[in-house]
Amino acid sequence: GAVVSQHPSRVICKSGTSVKIECRSLDFQATTMFWYRQFPKQSLMLMATSNEGSKATYEQGVEKDKFLINHASLTLSTLTVTSAHPEDSSFYICSASEPLSGNTIYFGEGSWLTVV
Amino acid sequence: GENVEQHPSTLSVQEGDSAVIKCTYSDSASNYFPWYKQELGKGPQLIIDIRSNVGEKKDQRIAVTLNKTAKHFSLHITETQPEDSAVYFCAASKAAGNKLTFGGGTRVLVKP
Repeated sequence: GAVVSQHPSRVICKSGTSVKIECRSLDFQATTMFWYRQFPKQSLMLMATSNEGSKATYEQGVEKDKFLINHASLTLSTLTVTSAHPEDSSFYICSASEPLSGNTIYFGEGSWLTVV
Repeated sequence: GENVEQHPSTLSVQEGDSAVIKCTYSDSASNYFPWYKQELGKGPQLIIDIRSNVGEKKDQRIAVTLNKTAKHFSLHITETQPEDSAVYFCAASKAAGNKLTFGGGTRVLVKP
């Protein structure tokens, strides 16, 4: 299957600072990427849909000024958690739609964010 | 919007036995139903998917069935092995490539 890579896999940041997570489609071009958040032992919660060259579409209840999403190229989307607080600590996962496999969605390895 | 219910939440089976996970969805416009396996601390891995124009799909020990009339779909794992132990998620969307709505997940434990 197609490969989606996230970086960093783990990050610790201080409360009040911002942190950026990258999501790359390594062997295909993705016009659409998705960002999810997952708390321990819970399901995946969609945060936003990222479209290359346009503004992201956020799900209800997700603060777009806090979770900045940029999809500047067909292989890279970034999620920036601004002014992070301990409650933002979570597992963040991206996914991308792979056109050549009928738009099958593949997930990255996830990024653990801990805000201290 | 779409709502996906998944059962059971936990499933313990003996190695070699079969495991069945069931999901129901609410939006009759949904046409794409993937299943993902997630191991601890990792991202979900696609194991099989089915589109609404077929009723069943099989890949080695894994099969998925879809009943669009009843709006439910199921995952069947035969001859389970310890490495099948993981959390499995079903999902639904209007079409492949669209945003997915996930079920609550099933934690599967295969006992040797």
